[in-house]
Amino acid sequence: DADVTQTPRNRITKTGKRIMLECSQTKGHDRMYWYRQDPGLGLRLIYYSFDVKDINKGEISDGYSVSRQAQAKFSLSLESAIPNQTALYFCATSDPLIGNQPQHFGDGTRLSIL
Amino acid sequence: QKEVEQNSGPLSVPEGAIASLNCTYSDRGSQSFFWYRQYSGKSPELIMFIYSNGDKEDGRFTAQLNKASQYVSLLIRDSQPSDSATYLCAVGAFYAGGTSYGKLTFGQGTILTVHP
Repeated sequence: DADVTQTPRNRITKTGKRIMLECSQTKGHDRMYWYRQDPGLGLRLIYYSFDVKDINKGEISDGYSVSRQAQAKFSLSLESAIPNQTALYFCATSDPLIGNQPQHFGDGTRLSIL
Repeated sequence: QKEVEQNSGPLSVPEGAIASLNCTYSDRGSQSFFWYRQYSGKSPELIMFIYSNGDKEDGRFTAQLNKASQYVSLLIRDSQPSDSATYLCAVGAFYAGGTSYGKLTFGQGTILTVHP
């Protein structure tokens, strides 16, 4: 089983819908991240969490919200999806003993908003 | 102006050659530098990190950092077709207290193709 699991892997939905992307990890790491990837733009940080009670906005948090339900679970929600949120979304974890940068990525969720 | 800029690609090298991937950054306060490899349709994979000026070698990979020039590079020696992927440069900062965190700024990536 994958260490970082994202569901769903693919999602097509309509503008205005509420969407939740889920991430669960078996690494035992406290730190979790949500990134989006767009062609030619690299990865951009949406939200990050250092533990269940510590959630922080990244550089592009507008239009997104997150929930850290447990150490192992970190969900990303789009309250009212819009087409420019069409992207590839990655969840990641990091081990502070190694360096705190994201080291373990999920396989990604490809989200298309029509 | 982009905060982290990578050399435009795609970059094509023959098998066995040295592939050189370059990255410049704008924030002089940056302290940590990372290279990720991403195969098509896959998630990024951390392959190298460097914190101090100079070279850091790991197998066929060498990361080079020059903070004065705000420049970091990745050299891949004896390139193999399996090295064909997109390489992402990422730059991070440390808090004043010395604690780093995962708020990295990524470059747009450079596509590398190693042909037999």
